[in-house]
Amino acid sequence: KNEVEQSPQNLTAQEEEFITINCSYSVGISALHWLQQHPGGGIVSLFMLSSGKKKHGRLIATINIQEKHSSLHITASHPRDSAVYICAVRSYSNYQLIWGAGTKLIIKP
Amino acid sequence: ETGVTQSPTHLIKTRGQQVTLRCSSQSGHNTVSWYQQALGQGPQFIFQYYREEENGRGNFPPRFSGLQFPNYSSELNVNALELDDSALYLCASSLMADNEQFFGPGTRLTVL
Repeated sequence: KNEVEQSPQNLTAQEEEFITINCSYSVGISALHWLQQHPGGGIVSLFMLSSGKKKHGRLIATINIQEKHSSLHITASHPRDSAVYICAVRSYSNYQLIWGAGTKLIIKP
Repeated sequence: ETGVTQSPTHLIKTRGQQVTLRCSSQSGHNTVSWYQQALGQGPQFIFQYYREEENGRGNFPPRFSGLQFPNYSSELNVNALELDDSALYLCASSLMADNEQFFGPGTRLTVL
């Protein structure tokens, strides 16, 4: 079993739909990251959080430390949101980032 | 303020050769982490350098080695290349070891 599990693996939705991507982890962490990767490889850090909730524009990230679960939400989705969204947790013991396999999101106009 | 840059962007090598990949960290950042991302998979942590010292290492063999320079730029060296080393190599810099990381565009290495 992977230490970081994401669901769904693939998600296709229509423009304006509300999107939720989930991440569960099994190790002790100091922080959880949500990142976005576009075709071609560039990775952009969206959020780093260790408790509660963060919001940036149409993106919202939440984390429940007790349940070892985080969600990334996109409101009013747009085709330019199409990308791979990756959850990564920072190991409490050695600061190493442990990555999920990613969720490939396609937003259709 | 410049972001994280990596060079080269693409590279083709043959089995057994050696390769050096370079990363310039974001201004003011003293920590650099390297990741390997095989096609269709998530990135795997190779190692991290903090103030010129290795500060953590993932499950990669010793033929993967690195350096960090006084200006905090970094190199990843891979000796005796194998076909499975073909991947996107990502570098990320951060202000401290446990801070948010900022990623470079990556170097795509193909081993034939």
